[in-house]
Amino acid sequence: DQQVKQNSPSLSVQEGRISILNCDYTNSMFDYFLWYKKYPAEGPTFLISISSIKDKNEDGRFTVFLNKSAKHLSLHIVPSQPGDSAVYFCAAISNTGNQFYFGTGTSLTVIP
Amino acid sequence: EAGVTQFPSHSVIEKGQTVTLRCDPISGHDNLYWYRRVMGKEIKFLLHFVKESKQDESGMPNNRFLAERTGGTYSTLKVQPAELEDSGVYFCASSQVLGPGTEAFFGQGTRLTVV
Repeated sequence: DQQVKQNSPSLSVQEGRISILNCDYTNSMFDYFLWYKKYPAEGPTFLISISSIKDKNEDGRFTVFLNKSAKHLSLHIVPSQPGDSAVYFCAAISNTGNQFYFGTGTSLTVIP
Repeated sequence: EAGVTQFPSHSVIEKGQTVTLRCDPISGHDNLYWYRRVMGKEIKFLLHFVKESKQDESGMPNNRFLAERTGGTYSTLKVQPAELEDSGVYFCASSQVLGPGTEAFFGQGTRLTVV
């Protein structure tokens, strides 16, 4: 029973263009969402987060959008750079929870 | 400040053997989590410690897995006896506080291969 879903296992984008990574969730109790980035042979590193009271959070080239009614969030990377090539995991936590629920990840390749 | 460290980085063992994974969280982080990623699937929760106490071990697959956190510092995850389906990458993470607004810091993972 996967509560956080990333339906695109991979994505290729040209350098300089926008990368859009999508994430859907099923549990309406989730109220905090995070994106993690993972390089091969490394652990996931925190990238950006958003609280359910917001619909947008921006940090430099990274913006996360949250649509609570659709139970959908997305990560936008603009402009995309080759160093952004990695696996991106969406994660969620509820206000009563003690565990992060992760998606299966989307492998992003930014083509120079 | 040192991050979350895990040892070993790789382990290859035969079915039926025992393996112990170790995690050293970030100093001062009371919350320690074990996660596992199997064959490109999602990163799945195993258990959560608050200091030395198991807060939630609902994700532990079965009683072949035993986790401990001595003195609320480092943690070990023992698999005994290991089975083929235990292969995967085991991640440890720690956080200072709990709940929304928290980010968990992950170690580099231990890749376990059971043959």
